[in-house]
Amino acid sequence: DAGVIQSPRHEVTEMGQEVTLRCKPISGHDYLFWYRQTMMRGLELLIYFNNNVPIDDSGMPEDRFSAKMPNASFSTLKIQPSEPRDSAVYFCASRAGPGELFFGEGSRLTVL
Amino acid sequence: GENVEQHPSTLSVQEGDSAVIKCTYSDSASNYFPWYKQELGKRPQLIIDIRSNVGEKKDQRIAVTLNKTAKHFSLHITETQPEDSAVYFCAAPASGGSYIPTFGRGTSLIVHP
Repeated sequence: DAGVIQSPRHEVTEMGQEVTLRCKPISGHDYLFWYRQTMMRGLELLIYFNNNVPIDDSGMPEDRFSAKMPNASFSTLKIQPSEPRDSAVYFCASRAGPGELFFGEGSRLTVL
Repeated sequence: GENVEQHPSTLSVQEGDSAVIKCTYSDSASNYFPWYKQELGKRPQLIIDIRSNVGEKKDQRIAVTLNKTAKHFSLHITETQPEDSAVYFCAAPASGGSYIPTFGRGTSLIVHP
């Protein structure tokens, strides 16, 4: 397996634009997580899915953020409209049951 | 939810020295404690984990110890090498059986040659 695949790796956009980050989890993994990493706040859990169903989105900062998982092999995190304070590295991770998280390479977002 | 505190935030050692990073957690029902290593510009990757039925686990130069009474666990790296330089994160899961990890803020380890 190629591991967790995220795209884009880098995104630079202007304030107010819509941003969509994509994730393909490892095949067979039933949990998918979206994390945001910044120097100030570390690794923050935004939302996680179990068997494609969103379980806990209490970490999503505000209504500008939304996440979907239409099937077992694809998830998106959308920010609309984007703001400079959303600049961060966004990681997707997946796992099979309890235990090790497998992270993607991350999407580095810069909002000007 | 779970509250995880990690110390120190930065640790600088000479090559060959030992390094110790400590984490405390709040949920006494937590029973799985992983450590992740993140090299500069890379993804976090699991390096060692421990479950609550043991007090210590070793894997070559790294070890993790767990004190459930005091609710803390520590990462020990012996004979440090420059390639150990990275940010290390501990995590503790909230109870409820889903093992959803809350991460510590991270420790930046710098090993000077």
